[in-house]
Amino acid sequence: DTGVSQDPRHKITKRGQNVTFRCDPISEHNRLYWYRQTLGQGPEFLTYFQNEAQLEKSRLLSDRFSAERPKGSFSTLEIQRTEQGDSAMYLCASSRWTRAGGDTQYFGPGTRLTVL
Amino acid sequence: DAKTTQPNSMESNEEEPVHLPCNHSTISGTDYIHWYRQLPSQGPEYVIHGLTSNVNNRMASLAIAEDRKSSTLILHRATLRDAAVYYCIPRSGGGADGLTFGKGTHLIIQP
Repeated sequence: DTGVSQDPRHKITKRGQNVTFRCDPISEHNRLYWYRQTLGQGPEFLTYFQNEAQLEKSRLLSDRFSAERPKGSFSTLEIQRTEQGDSAMYLCASSRWTRAGGDTQYFGPGTRLTVL
Repeated sequence: DAKTTQPNSMESNEEEPVHLPCNHSTISGTDYIHWYRQLPSQGPEYVIHGLTSNVNNRMASLAIAEDRKSSTLILHRATLRDAAVYYCIPRSGGGADGLTFGKGTHLIIQP
């Protein structure tokens, strides 16, 4: 079990540029989540995949945000035309429902985005 | 989602027990109570969850009030490594939706 990994760990970009983040979940986990966390706040849910299907999207996920999980394994989160308000930590989590553990989510270390 | 209320911060001494309270008076009858914590510069980490009965695992214990309107996370012997933000999160039993984090409790451990 290598845990959830995210790449890159840090990204600095200029306003208006596009950025893409990658998340590799724990293998055999069929659920994958994206969250955003700003300083001093708890993480906020963005979107959720079960296998390759995107089943839920938060209203926080504007049209500039798109997420994919093409083969039900890794996922990418793209932000187009970045704005300074997009600066945050982007967290990925994965899970597999079990009777004993429910839907315990395992989080990656996050990608910290800074938009200048 | 059920609303939760947690103290903004708590302080404890190393090697002493810590009781972290959470009020969730609007919790539904089928919601589990999950606790996660977030250490500095890391993603959140699952701690424990329960429905009605008190629960124990290697990290902590969870005491759930009989009316389920509140719960308490118990760290039996706090260490410096337990300094983190602790989040109490009600969640439906079959839950496949995202977790709703509040602001949590910032636990400070004094050596």
